[in-house]
Amino acid sequence: DIQMTQSPSSVSASVGDRVTITCRASQGVSGWLAWYQEKPGKAPKLLIYDTSNLQSGVPSRFSGRSSGTDFTLTISSLQPEDSATYYCQQGNSFPLSFGGGTKVEIK
Amino acid sequence: QVQLVQSGAEVKKPGASVRISCKTSGYTFTSYALHWLRQAPGQRLEWMGWINSGTDQIKYSQKFHGRVTISRDTSASTAYMELSSPTSEDTAVYYCARGKRAVYFDYWGQGTLITVSS
Repeated sequence: DIQMTQSPSSVSASVGDRVTITCRASQGVSGWLAWYQEKPGKAPKLLIYDTSNLQSGVPSRFSGRSSGTDFTLTISSLQPEDSATYYCQQGNSFPLSFGGGTKVEIK
Repeated sequence: QVQLVQSGAEVKKPGASVRISCKTSGYTFTSYALHWLRQAPGQRLEWMGWINSGTDQIKYSQKFHGRVTISRDTSASTAYMELSSPTSEDTAVYYCARGKRAVYFDYWGQGTLITVSS
């Protein structure tokens, strides 16, 4: 099974800051990587799929990229509504698996 | 618009099977996979299995194989997940989600809390 490890587990930043979250896969996932945003009491929301493709309706301040088995989600200019927990997910092989989450808080 | 509406919260005693439903609308049910996932308190999201709504092919996570049964009623555009012999460790919010490119989750149900307690 592929293990997904996210860092940091939490980050606190100010409105307008650039925030980067990292996700590392225990083995190659061939670009099959997605990012989700989860707010308390709500279902997760797909932000990015296939490493860097923005889901329809998602603001362009969200972006994704990869370097080998490391993947990053970047919020270019943090907004108050971005306060949430973010998860990465690999879609390369079953069982599909998620990272442990990164909680983003606004200072 | 695409909607996935799940059945309501359940409270079950250990060992008592539970089945929850996921009624879909706004898209062609047989054109997309339908996944089941869960999130226990303080834990990461966990994929349980999926059904290819067009072919009825089903795949389970080995962790749940034998305890989870996924099925569908195409005429009702509804999918089901039955969990047998639950324990307190199965207490979680259970989600259905539509598959995008099969393996991502673009639309989600609202979640169903299953509480297993004696």
